[in-house]
Amino acid sequence: GEDVEQSLFLSVREGDSSVINCTYTDSSSTYLYWYKQEPGAGLQLLTYIFSNMDMKQDQRLTVLLNKKDKHLSLRIADTQTGDSAIYFCAESLNTGFQKLVFGTGTRLLVSP
Amino acid sequence: ETGVTQTPRHLVMGMTNKKSLKCEQHLGHNAMYWYKQSAKKPLELMFVYSLEERVENNSVPSRFSPECPNSSHLFLHLHTLQPEDSALYLCASSQDSGTRGYNEQFFGPGTRLTVL
Repeated sequence: GEDVEQSLFLSVREGDSSVINCTYTDSSSTYLYWYKQEPGAGLQLLTYIFSNMDMKQDQRLTVLLNKKDKHLSLRIADTQTGDSAIYFCAESLNTGFQKLVFGTGTRLLVSP
Repeated sequence: ETGVTQTPRHLVMGMTNKKSLKCEQHLGHNAMYWYKQSAKKPLELMFVYSLEERVENNSVPSRFSPECPNSSHLFLHLHTLQPEDSALYLCASSQDSGTRGYNEQFFGPGTRLTVL
């Protein structure tokens, strides 16, 4: 199937690290993505990782990829209240075009 | 205007109405998408257009009818909707449809649709 799974909710305190986990289904996905959705807005690409990498760091963001377990994670260091949003992971399926299959999203709540 | 815009932002309609959602992208992209976002469900891809040609129709009921008159504009025509069609409808665009593997999609803010 095409189910990409994420936990629905994560709550952290400001300054802590947040880790959002995702499991995907297609081992042939060439790229995996993390998108962020703030209230009243569309999704915005945060970062992505190519499937031949196992880690990518981009400022406060660290993406880890475990291809054997089809597990993707997003770590946000020094989480701020402005990071409160819904975070979606997405895998890409080659169906004649690169179809993005999104998870249900993880709502991150950062408290002061 | 920059990025991807959608109008209207909010729409309330009865089950017998006909309405249209509009999406416009100012990014020079060649692919456009309609998604449906319902609470606690993954985003559902509805339609994909690449170079104004429909390349994906994801088993969407015929009461939803897309139209892509050019690569900058995408419409979703709505007719005889049901209450379960109430959702956030998101439009997105990308450079191409990911022919080289990478497919970053840029999303509009969505139209919040309520069907009474």
